[in-house]
Amino acid sequence: QVHLQESGPGLVRPSETLSLSCTVSSFSITSDYYWAWIRQPPGKGLEWVGTINHSGGPFYNPSLNTRATISVDTARNQFSLRLTSVTVADSGVYFCAREVDDDGFDIWGRGTMVSVSS
Amino acid sequence: ENVLTQSPGTLSLSPGERATLSCRASQSVSSSYLAWYQQKPGQAPRLLIYDASTRATGIPDRFSGSGSGTDYTLTISRLEPEDFAVYYCQQYGTSYTFGQGTKLEIK
Repeated sequence: QVHLQESGPGLVRPSETLSLSCTVSSFSITSDYYWAWIRQPPGKGLEWVGTINHSGGPFYNPSLNTRATISVDTARNQFSLRLTSVTVADSGVYFCAREVDDDGFDIWGRGTMVSVSS
Repeated sequence: ENVLTQSPGTLSLSPGERATLSCRASQSVSSSYLAWYQQKPGQAPRLLIYDASTRATGIPDRFSGSGSGTDYTLTISRLEPEDFAVYYCQQYGTSYTFGQGTKLEIK
């Protein structure tokens, strides 16, 4: 059964860089699927952060103003998110997810809470 | 950006009733690439419907999606207790955007 698990620090200081990883189990990250990060501020809705495919992308939400970088580590079967110059507005639960080509996000991790605070 | 607006914001119904949730896009959704998700507190969203009307694997047939262009609907034919949650629509025709959600609560 395909399983995604997010990992990373739960607390990041303002202006620093948020770094998260998503480990994919029981499925090869080089398969022809897309891998995405989606976040959810406390008590609010979902926001797409970015998407990558082993052979294409990445693609980012323009609202992040080039602060986001998503990469794939095929050796570890992981993909990662780096978000620079974070502010309090970047706090929330960060989910990683698998996207079937043009069929929505079908598998999600449980999410990891990130707080931006001094 | 294709902005999705969901209505109503909150829907209060009883088990056994029919629920109709709306999602309106600011621009036509390319190829009807629209999905619906269910999210319960403390959990990740679950894919219910993709391509506007195709049920995802394992989703009960009481959930159905319809629509085209800018107007889409999620219908739950007979509400079960476990259906009370927040529902999001999402378009993936042009980049990706989510609606703000509809909370389905027990009346």
